[in-house]
Amino acid sequence: DAKTTQPTSMDCAEGRAANLPCNHSTISGNEYVYWYRQIHSQGPQYIIHGLKNNETNEMASLIITEDRKSSTLILPHATLRDTAVYYCIVRTPPMDSSYKLIFGSGTRLLVRP
Amino acid sequence: GAVVSQHPSWVICKSGTSVKIECRSLDFQATTMFWYRQFPKQSLMLMATSNEGSKATYEQGVEKDKFLINHASLTLSTLTVTSAHPEDSSFYICSARSGAGSSYEQYFGPGTRLTVT
Repeated sequence: DAKTTQPTSMDCAEGRAANLPCNHSTISGNEYVYWYRQIHSQGPQYIIHGLKNNETNEMASLIITEDRKSSTLILPHATLRDTAVYYCIVRTPPMDSSYKLIFGSGTRLLVRP
Repeated sequence: GAVVSQHPSWVICKSGTSVKIECRSLDFQATTMFWYRQFPKQSLMLMATSNEGSKATYEQGVEKDKFLINHASLTLSTLTVTSAHPEDSSFYICSARSGAGSSYEQYFGPGTRLTVT
């Protein structure tokens, strides 16, 4: 699986957009970009995933560059509850029944009041 | 949908005793379940993968005789920490993989905090 690189920590003001970058320069053509987050002392929570098109759901937007070597997770209006560690994971397609998620170190996002 | 529960949410045990943690998929059948361990300020580390009715596959460096995993049904997996020691104190998280049609996704439980005194 492709390795990802994320900043160790970031912060943003409440109500503003939080843009979390992820580099995955060795991503293969059929690999997807997944984002999870982990709020303190809880299990990871799925946020969003994509292959090459930008994706949006009720939680966030995912912007993947045209060469797919990097992506950005956007939380449009961050709240204090969004303070968490965010993990960017590159993995095989969802139809791969043998895949197991391996977590890197992630980005610790602090949303300031 | 896709809810995974763990029990207990926290447990304190004495050194040398064993403790069992349960992981249940509440609204789907999980042929595969995963166990992770997380130390403070560190990322999740995959310990083992279990398939229903089969022996678990352990990641390198994880002692299979110490961390006993049973996946007896499509909705239940258990992790037993045998002869626990203070260094086993950690946050244990299970994950269950759904296998619906063409998409296999992992869903995570809320975690169990184990403290060994």
